[in-house]
Amino acid sequence: GENVEQHPSTLSVQEGDSAVIKCTYSDSASNYFPWYKQELGKRPQLIIDIRSNVGEKKDQRIAVTLNKTAKHFSLHITETQPEDSAVYFCAASRRTSGSARQLTFGSGTQLTVLP
Amino acid sequence: SAVISQKPSRDICQRGTSLTIQCQVDSQVTMMFWYRQQPGQSLTLIATANQGSEATYESGFVIDKFPISRPNLTFSTLTVSNMSPEDSSIYLCSVEGRRGYTNTEAFFGQGTRLTVV
Repeated sequence: GENVEQHPSTLSVQEGDSAVIKCTYSDSASNYFPWYKQELGKRPQLIIDIRSNVGEKKDQRIAVTLNKTAKHFSLHITETQPEDSAVYFCAASRRTSGSARQLTFGSGTQLTVLP
Repeated sequence: SAVISQKPSRDICQRGTSLTIQCQVDSQVTMMFWYRQQPGQSLTLIATANQGSEATYESGFVIDKFPISRPNLTFSTLTVSNMSPEDSSIYLCSVEGRRGYTNTEAFFGQGTRLTVV
């Protein structure tokens, strides 16, 4: 099955700096890579995703890059703000035979943005 | 999108007892997923619940411990049976819902925070 590794486990940055979180996956058949933000006591929320037919996707201060050959993908947050502080999870998936995606999550990164 | 209502939001239970968690979705979905999130950890898939057939369990999870019902396309329950303190976790249900015209994403319930004493 799929195995997703995520680094670092904790990351502290100064407000305004950039943050980068990296993930690797093992299943070459995986074709969808979402990133989730989970604030304390809340449910995970999708912040950005990328499919295997593109190498990069950007949404305002958030970007994700994908290297299919190396089987790794990264989340980039620029101009970080205190409200970016949360746990971030990467995930990888491919469609199951029943057509819904089954996600395998990374171990999570606790991002702290220091004011 | 998909709106998921999960209950209870939290509970404190005695060891040896069972708790049933309910998940209601505002639209019909083929598959519903149940995850466990242990304190400070990632999400681990317990099982996939299909309407009209038995749930499919991931390695390390068994039906006797985590029986699942899926009576229709909008509802599912997960029971945590014969609980021990090691079962203290957050349990989340998830479905794949539409985002825009062509894309989908996983949506999560608010989670059930279970503490076993």
